[in-house]
Amino acid sequence: AQKVTQAQTEISVVEKEDVTLDCVYETRDTTYYLFWYKQPPSGELVFLIRRNSFDEQNEISGRYSWNFQKSTSSFNFTITASQVVDSAVYFCALSEVIQGAQKLVFGQGTRLTINP
Amino acid sequence: EAQVTQNPRYLITVTGKKLTVTCSQNMNHEYMSWYRQDPGLGLRQIYYSMNVEVTDKGDVPEGYKVSRKEKRNFPLILESPSPNQTSLYFCASSLWEGGTGELFFGEGSRLTVL
Repeated sequence: AQKVTQAQTEISVVEKEDVTLDCVYETRDTTYYLFWYKQPPSGELVFLIRRNSFDEQNEISGRYSWNFQKSTSSFNFTITASQVVDSAVYFCALSEVIQGAQKLVFGQGTRLTINP
Repeated sequence: EAQVTQNPRYLITVTGKKLTVTCSQNMNHEYMSWYRQDPGLGLRQIYYSMNVEVTDKGDVPEGYKVSRKEKRNFPLILESPSPNQTSLYFCASSLWEGGTGELFFGEGSRLTVL
């Protein structure tokens, strides 16, 4: 069965530090998609990235970067030079198509606090 | 503006009093889904719909009903709410794209059942 594990329940760092959020997944499929979502204190869920299982290139978007490693079933998220506005709960998710339907499974989330 | 709209955003009700949380999207998305978010459990899927009149159970469907009579609307119905349904609920939609589309979420509906 699908499973996403975010072992870090809470992380607290000082502003400008780099921080990495871990995500490990389990799946028996060869075709799947991985996502990261951000949930700021206001509560909405904001899409950050989607990556398919055939594309292992790392991705960088400004201060955000993602490291996808199929060998370790991990899709880690790094924020460089963190800012207070990065404080949020971050969710990693795995998407598969099972019997013709999209199945999206979320990890438990990591609460990131950036202190001034 | 492309969006998913949920109502109500906040609701306090009592055990057994039927309620409906509405969800509407203006992006002509085929796929819609409901999730509940509980501390330490992340988001869990309640029901989903791949198109009009096509719905199916997610991981935690007990105590909920849904309908999809129009493409844009996907209401969540709690026929007889119980305290264990106190949660934060999210509606989401996406283009089908073979099941890989980015999900767009509503702002969430916080429900308290006393």
